[in-house]
Parts: sequence; C-alpha cells; structure tokens
Amino acid sequence: AQKVTQAQTEISVVEKEDVTLDCVYETRDTTYYLFWYKQPPSGELVFLIRRNSFDEQNEISGRYSWNFQKSTSSFNFTITASQVVDSAVYFCALSEANDYKLSFGAGTTVTVRA
Amino acid sequence: DADVTQTPRNRITKTGKRIMLECSQTKGHDRMYWYRQDPGLGLRLIYYSFDVKDINKGEISDGYSVSRQAQAKFSLSLESAIPNQTALYFCATSDWTGGNEQFFGPGTRLTVL
Repeated sequence: AQKVTQAQTEISVVEKEDVTLDCVYETRDTTYYLFWYKQPPSGELVFLIRRNSFDEQNEISGRYSWNFQKSTSSFNFTITASQVVDSAVYFCALSEANDYKLSFGAGTTVTVRA
Repeated sequence: DADVTQTPRNRITKTGKRIMLECSQTKGHDRMYWYRQDPGLGLRLIYYSFDVKDINKGEISDGYSVSRQAQAKFSLSLESAIPNQTALYFCATSDWTGGNEQFFGPGTRLTVL
C-alpha cells in the first residue's frame, strides 16, 4: 500500500498567488518523520523540512509554511506569494522509526507563470 | 565540494550492456541508499546498506546489484541493461540518529537504448 499520497499531479499558478500542496500519509508507527523535498528543473533534490510525529506545531520559513495534522494524517505545504523560481517538482516523504527508509509520494509539479 | 557525488552524471548505453553507477560521500555516514526516479512515480528504493557488511534489497531490486566497497562508496550495477531501466538514479546517505534525514547526490541520468 502506498504510504504517501500526493493527489495533485500538477498545479499551475500566476506569480504572487499562493499555492498549497497536499500530502496524506499512512503509517501504524507512533514515531515517524515527514519530509518535503524540492526538485528544480536542474534535477537535484533539495531538502526543505523534516517534522517528527511528536511535533504538530506548524512551521514557517520565509514564504514557505507547513501544516501538520495527525488527526487527518496530512502534512501540507504552502508557498505564499509564489515566484517563478518556485517552479519545481515537490515531494513529500515518510520515514518510520523502525525502518529508516524513505517512502516518497509521486510528486507535485508546480509551475509558476510570470 | 559536494558531500555526495555520483559518477557519471549522464550515460547513454545499449541494451545488454553492463553499467556501473558510482556514489561517494564525505559526510561520514554509515547508511547509503540507491533510488530510481520515474515520471509520476516519485523515488523508489532499489538497495540500501547500513554499513559495509550490510546490504538490503529495496522495493525494486530486480535487475540490479550493489557493492559497498567502503563506508564512503556504494556502487549500483546493471548487469544487462534494458530500456525500462532508463531513469534518473539517486544515491543518498544518512546517519544513525533519529529522523533519517537523507542527503542526496546530484543524480545520474541513464538512458538505455
């Protein structure tokens, strides 16, 4: 069974619009870690954030913010006032404490038009 | 210098050829991983190694083999490449502490004709 679901395949916005990427995960572990990675057109994977299952505080980093809700098994990512440089594929991933492997979602392609 | 390096960065080969992709890291991590990325499928784990003497299959290991030559080096081999192994391949490392944050190399784009 897929552990991480990113239902949005592609999102296209105009610059300065906000965009929210959905991530729903599935695990039976009580201890786990959630991640977001960015893959720009150049292809490398850029780490954005890690959140552990015991920390449900939302986090903001510049124009990026993350909303972690255990009740709905979701870890959503919002880009505020999007810019062309935000155009990339974004991956959500899950690591269970007893496993230490990363399970990735299929990714969401974000295109920001000028 | 990059902490995780992969060679080659791009490779075009023919069906049936043997190919080796190499990964080196300077982070001092014990754990190393090989993933492949296909459009619409995200990254899928091929093999992983928690130390030099430990090799484990991931979810899509068929057609691949690996070698952990040293703590810092982890190679992926395709003994007889086939076209559906055309993909972007990533090496990653992590340490033993909780959280399993993985550090990725720049990727190797492999095309099998």
